[in-house]
Amino acid sequence: DVKVTQSSRYLVKRTGEKVFLECVQDMDHENMFWYRQDPGLGLRLIYFSYDVKMKEKGDIPEGYSVSREKKERFSLILESASTNQTSMYLCASRRRYNEQFFGPGTRLTVL
Amino acid sequence: TQLLEQSPQFLSIQEGENLTVYCNSSSVFSSLQWYRQEPGEGPVLLVTVVTGGEVKKLKRLTFQFGDARKDSSLHITAAQPGDTGLYLCAGEGSFQKLVFGTGTRLLVSP
Repeated sequence: DVKVTQSSRYLVKRTGEKVFLECVQDMDHENMFWYRQDPGLGLRLIYFSYDVKMKEKGDIPEGYSVSREKKERFSLILESASTNQTSMYLCASRRRYNEQFFGPGTRLTVL
Repeated sequence: TQLLEQSPQFLSIQEGENLTVYCNSSSVFSSLQWYRQEPGEGPVLLVTVVTGGEVKKLKRLTFQFGDARKDSSLHITAAQPGDTGLYLCAGEGSFQKLVFGTGTRLLVSP
């Protein structure tokens, strides 16, 4: 059974903290993505990666960075968390032009 | 910038009713996918349509891709409570990125 797993389902952090969200896929997919999902705004792409050590900015990269040291792992980093980064974060992976598989999401609250 | 607009945003219906969700854009997409997301989970793919005018059926769900490949619709016949969820359309954009619609939240009451 193919899987995308995310390190936490729920996370509560304080303003200014550095936050790491980890994502692992077991399908040997080249492409990996980080989205945030907010009511009324849909899924917005933060960053994506086509291959190891490659990263591209999505539509809303400000305040975020990413790391892809291994093909199966794509990490999202909030350097200094702010309250407007409270959201649901979804990781996804896909083989080129095929179905996109999503993780279960991490609901992050920044106080 | 490619955008996909879905309508309606919310739909609350009774079990057994029929419904249609629309996904529209001014851009042409090479393919379009439909996902369903249940509370607390990530979206799961329902179908991919590729050819203009294509119609695909998945049990009580019928998906259609517009002739010009700019729009799509999802029709559910005799909706059931298990159909409750957030429905998302997604077009194949540039650089292997999917462009997601704003979503339609469906609630089917018994």
